[in-house]
Amino acid sequence: DSGVTQTPKHLITATGQRVTLRCSPRSGDLSVYWYQQSLDQGLQFLIQYYNGEERAKGNILERFSAQQFPDLHSELNLSSLELGDSALYFCASSHGDGANQPQHFGDGTRLSIL
Amino acid sequence: AQKITQTQPGMFVQEKEAVTLDCTYDTSDPSYGLFWYKQPSSGEMIFLIYQGSYDQQNATEGRYSLNFQKARKSANLVISASQLGDSAMYFCAMREGRGNTGKLIFGQGTTLQVKP
Repeated sequence: DSGVTQTPKHLITATGQRVTLRCSPRSGDLSVYWYQQSLDQGLQFLIQYYNGEERAKGNILERFSAQQFPDLHSELNLSSLELGDSALYFCASSHGDGANQPQHFGDGTRLSIL
Repeated sequence: AQKITQTQPGMFVQEKEAVTLDCTYDTSDPSYGLFWYKQPSSGEMIFLIYQGSYDQQNATEGRYSLNFQKARKSANLVISASQLGDSAMYFCAMREGRGNTGKLIFGQGTTLQVKP
């Protein structure tokens, strides 16, 4: 158990819909990261928050947004969903954001768009 | 540009034998971290081992060790005494020290199958 909690584990929805993925980091971790894993793109970094502030952005679509709340949990919002958004979405956390900080991953949310 | 390459899409190993999973990387940042993760068929990502660019010794964690060859830019994972539960996808990842960004760059992964 990594200590990172993601809900829900599975999500099935239709094109055009909006969903929210939730992440609770490990106790004491200030950094939260979101990644997308798909068969064609592999594991891609989406966005990072550190202590409530956005720290870095990766290949995140404009239809996607995220935030980190004062209690450090984070949410990833995906809107106007398309078939290609079907993927496994991971949240990870680390105490800081130095290069020597391992990121601990949650079990992921598997999103299926029908 | 930063890049991670794993050239072995799939590997087989006999139970109780050792196996090496290859990883090469490319970066111009002198400060970086290298990580290996395991992803079983159930989907979760499990952190295995870390090697810092300035570390003088190869990292070890139980049956996992990292063969770090800085001049060759390689960071191969060695699993000793393979077990059936080691069957999984393994990802090599890198994180640069500059830019205050913590993002991990992942390789495409290697699927390891342990034979009884």
